[in-house]
Amino acid sequence: SQELEQSPQSLIVQEGKNLTINCTSSKTLYGLYWYKQKYGEGLIFLMMLQKGGEEKSHEKITAKLDEKKQQSSLHITASQPSHAGIYLCGASPGTASKLTFGTGTRLQVTL
Amino acid sequence: GAGVSQSPRYKVAKRGQDVALRCDPISGHVSLFWYQQALGQGPEFLTYFQNEAQLDKSGLPSDRFFAERPEGSVSTLKIQRTQQEDSAVYLCASSARQRNTEAFFGQGTRLTVV
Repeated sequence: SQELEQSPQSLIVQEGKNLTINCTSSKTLYGLYWYKQKYGEGLIFLMMLQKGGEEKSHEKITAKLDEKKQQSSLHITASQPSHAGIYLCGASPGTASKLTFGTGTRLQVTL
Repeated sequence: GAGVSQSPRYKVAKRGQDVALRCDPISGHVSLFWYQQALGQGPEFLTYFQNEAQLDKSGLPSDRFFAERPEGSVSTLKIQRTQQEDSAVYLCASSARQRNTEAFFGQGTRLTVV
């Protein structure tokens, strides 16, 4: 079965600083999804990557999928308190629809 | 509604009690998923519906867990004879197509078994 490992597990950054979260898969990724979750709430979709080398950006968040499609990174530029939360990567294993998730990265942004 | 709606938001059940969790997906969404999220962990897949057909129930942890979506819209996850290890957040998600499209999640139902 596919496993996703996220690093770091938790991160505390000062407001205005940049940060990167990594997601590594044990198998080739057919679709890689990034979600954000605030405590006690559901997951908010951020981005989906499918092609090797693909990069997408939304506001100050950029996600990349490496050429071999086994690793993705999420980069936040000039972090703000609103970026705080848990970031989860999810992967669809082959042609299946269900997602396998990593254990998440907890981000805190200090003033 | 505009998003996926789950009810109740919180449920406290005594061990051995049966519970039913409801999910209202986004109107017109074909696919519906249930996930279980333990504290500090990522969501884990339970089951998947395409319209009214339950195509994958490989993630259901035991035969005490049962899910249905009789008319291809609202879905109910039922847990019989709840046990403490069932305590978790149960998340429902829906998507417009079968795969390779973003799934929209509800806010979840937090189940606590005492």
